[in-house]
Amino acid sequence: SYVLTQPPSVSVAPGKTATIMCGGDKIGGKSVQWYQQKPGQAPVMVIHYDRDRPSGIPERFSGSNSGNTATLTISRVEAGDEADYYCHVWDNDSDHGVFGAGTKVTVL
Amino acid sequence: QVRLVQSGAEVKEPGASVRLSCKTYGYTFSHYAVTWVRQAPGQGLEWTGWNSALRGTTKYAQRVQGRVTMTTDTSTNTAYMELRGLRSDDTAVYYCAKGESRNGMDVWGQGTTVTVSS
Repeated sequence: SYVLTQPPSVSVAPGKTATIMCGGDKIGGKSVQWYQQKPGQAPVMVIHYDRDRPSGIPERFSGSNSGNTATLTISRVEAGDEADYYCHVWDNDSDHGVFGAGTKVTVL
Repeated sequence: QVRLVQSGAEVKEPGASVRLSCKTYGYTFSHYAVTWVRQAPGQGLEWTGWNSALRGTTKYAQRVQGRVTMTTDTSTNTAYMELRGLRSDDTAVYYCAKGESRNGMDVWGQGTTVTVSS
């Protein structure tokens, strides 16, 4: 089955840039979404189609996808960005959705 | 305003069945799939399956295949997930979401906590 690999945690100072990677075999050929989940809340989609922001998501959130790595970048990080972030793709081979294990972003 | 409102918490014994509901508002229900995702306590998100009324297609995760049925009722704009033969490792918060993995799930329900315990 298809596996997505994320770092367990990322720490970043306010105002700086957080970069979260999601590794997968030829993930560049898939459409990647990123979801933000704060404690006790449902997930929120922050990026779809690799790099597109849904309505209402700040421009500080951006995405890219190439080769074996997809990346979520959060610029000018704020305290409110502290959350778990999950990458997600559809795997055509298994006909299943796949989530990464999640990355906890801590704002110092 | 697009909303998905899920049914209340459930406590079940091992081996029992549970049926969760997800009532939708504010969009053309039949035009979009409904995806179900679960999250065990302290764990990450797990894709559980999806149902598309438009395509007449349903896909289930291997871990629940054979025990789960996902359906939709277009007369009430409601999606359902039934899980049978409950085990302790089915204890989780279950979310429904509008959309599917290919395009993204853009609106989520508030979640339903299912606890399996004797």
